[in-house]
Amino acid sequence: DGGITQSPKYLFRKEGQNVTLSCEQNLNHDAMYWYRQDPGQGLRLIYYSQIVNDFQKGDIAEGYSVSREKKESFPLTVTSAQKNPTAFYLCASSIHRREYGYTFGSGTRLTVV
Amino acid sequence: EDKVVQSPLSLVVHEGDTVTLNCSYEVTNFRSLLWYKQEKKAPTFLFMLTSSGIEKKSGRLSSILDKKELFSILNITATQTGDSAIYLCAVEPLMNRDDKIIFGKGTRLHILP
Repeated sequence: DGGITQSPKYLFRKEGQNVTLSCEQNLNHDAMYWYRQDPGQGLRLIYYSQIVNDFQKGDIAEGYSVSREKKESFPLTVTSAQKNPTAFYLCASSIHRREYGYTFGSGTRLTVV
Repeated sequence: EDKVVQSPLSLVVHEGDTVTLNCSYEVTNFRSLLWYKQEKKAPTFLFMLTSSGIEKKSGRLSSILDKKELFSILNITATQTGDSAIYLCAVEPLMNRDDKIIFGKGTRLHILP
């Protein structure tokens, strides 16, 4: 079955460490997105990519980096420059001119210890 | 600045009650409005609304859009404990070259048995 897979489901990071969250999709979707979700804040866009080897900053890109070397994969790195990284991270994908919005992964909960 | 505002932010009702969730928006060149249900992890798609006054229904859930007043409502009748979730409203602008969707902060609904 097609879908989006995020891994790991839970991730603990020490302060000062970089960590990478994985997002893989086999839906043949062109566009992929990373959102951060905090309690009471809804979904905030970190980065998005419409095609391979191209990506753009979203509303809260500082302290994060991404790559899009393959259509299926859009990993997110949370760097030590991100001051408050503890959150729930959602990856999503869509076809161009989608009819059903985004398809979401199951998320990664990152906790800084 | 484009924005989506949901109300209430939190709602607690008893099983069997009917609830109405609100979503208002200010978006340049509106294309569509989407509703998602998020239980624990990945948001799941409920409805996409593009035309005013046309109700979309799925079982006990229904939604309608008013493009003149710039809002949408999501109704849930005969609520069940399984309806407990965060309900997200999102809006897609027309001529959306970047393929971005703007999310509201969500309504956290809790159904008491």
